[in-house]
Amino acid sequence: GAGVSQTPSNKVTEKGKYVELRCDPISGHTALYWYRQSLGQGPEFLIYFQGTGAADDSGLPNDRFFAVRPEGSVSTLKIQRTERGDSAVYLCASSSRGRQFFGPGTRLTVL
Amino acid sequence: DQQVKQNSPSLSVQEGRISILNCDYTNSMFDYFLWYKKYPAEGPTFLISISSIKDKNEDGRFTVFLNKSAKHLSLHIVPSQPGDSAVYFCAASAAEYGNKLVFGAGTILRVKS
Repeated sequence: GAGVSQTPSNKVTEKGKYVELRCDPISGHTALYWYRQSLGQGPEFLIYFQGTGAADDSGLPNDRFFAVRPEGSVSTLKIQRTERGDSAVYLCASSSRGRQFFGPGTRLTVL
Repeated sequence: DQQVKQNSPSLSVQEGRISILNCDYTNSMFDYFLWYKKYPAEGPTFLISISSIKDKNEDGRFTVFLNKSAKHLSLHIVPSQPGDSAVYFCAASAAEYGNKLVFGAGTILRVKS
């Protein structure tokens, strides 16, 4: 079956702009996670959804970051007033029985 | 405060030999440990895992060992193949933290033919 998909694969934006990153999880997976991977580091947790609600958003770095999952399937990570330090690969994962399946990521570059 | 550490940034091994990748953790609440493999421009792919109630889990050429008293785990790949060349991430989770994964920085494995 289809895996986790993320769009766009690459996003280049200018400092101060708003961006939206989309994640389509594996059908039927109720848990969805967002991670951010900076160069030379492992992925870092941002936020976790169980169904439609954010069960844990403790990893969001500040209030410029927000994520939604209105129907319990597709999720959108929103970043306001982007900064150069936001440049990273944003990974989404969905989970069944504890195992997380990752998408290919969106590479965000803020100029 | 790195809760999961992979102290070797890279490892080079000859084809056919054993590859040993190491990982240390500090949080005693972690109860599940995983290894992920990552190729460039792809997301991490699950490789093997181990629960904290076990000390060894084997799947084909891959074996993970867990030493809880030392808060240390290792991944053994034998025999190593050129296709194993990738970045390997160690990750840990705890059920009461919602199973969010805490990753190490990764180890680049190069298997030379």
